Amino acid sequence: RKEVEQDPGPFNVPEGATVAFNCTYSNSASQSFFWYRQDCRKEPKLLMSVYSSGNEDGRFTAQLNRASQYISLLIRDSKLSDSATYLCVVGLYNFNKFYFGSGTKLNVKP
Amino acid sequence: EAGVAQSPRYKIIEKRQSVAFWCNPISGHATLYWYQQILGQGPKLLIQFQNNGVVDDSQLPKDRFSAERLKGVDSTLKIQPAKLEDSAVYLCASSLIQGEYEQYFGPGTRLTVT
Repeated sequence: RKEVEQDPGPFNVPEGATVAFNCTYSNSASQSFFWYRQDCRKEPKLLMSVYSSGNEDGRFTAQLNRASQYISLLIRDSKLSDSATYLCVVGLYNFNKFYFGSGTKLNVKP
Repeated sequence: EAGVAQSPRYKIIEKRQSVAFWCNPISGHATLYWYQQILGQGPKLLIQFQNNGVVDDSQLPKDRFSAERLKGVDSTLKIQPAKLEDSAVYLCASSLIQGEYEQYFGPGTRLTVT
């Protein structure tokens, strides 16, 4: 079983739409959670961390559900520039181990 | 601030040949990671260094892959001999201290094994 699982998509949405991605993790001892963004043929970059209480950064909202072992990312008012692959990352053992999901591809269309 | 540097950016080799990749992390970053990203998959951690010591190399195929960070700064990853399934992007990342969550990635080396 994979440590981190994501729906690969692609999610094809029009500009202005709201879209949500989920990510499930297998190890209940996981301690840290992040969303990274990866543009085509580029390196991953940190989008946001995911805190237990949930957190928001502009149009992006991240949530953590420890009981069900999943994290989510909500993007409101999608822009063309949001088109990318979104990677879910889970950390274990005081951040010494990180597991990346395979990514969810988002295409925002005009 | 300069980012993580990697070279070469692209490499094409035949199977059974050897190849080496180089990474220079952000100045002052103690933790360095090497990842393998196969097309359509997320990055898979190969090895993690804290200064010049190995923290985790549990997913490094040690029969053919080796990595070092002798002076606790830049690092090399070597594959000898290469197999077709090693075709991937090799990403280097660094973070300021062990436990700091943000990893800064280099542009990667795209390896094609024919």
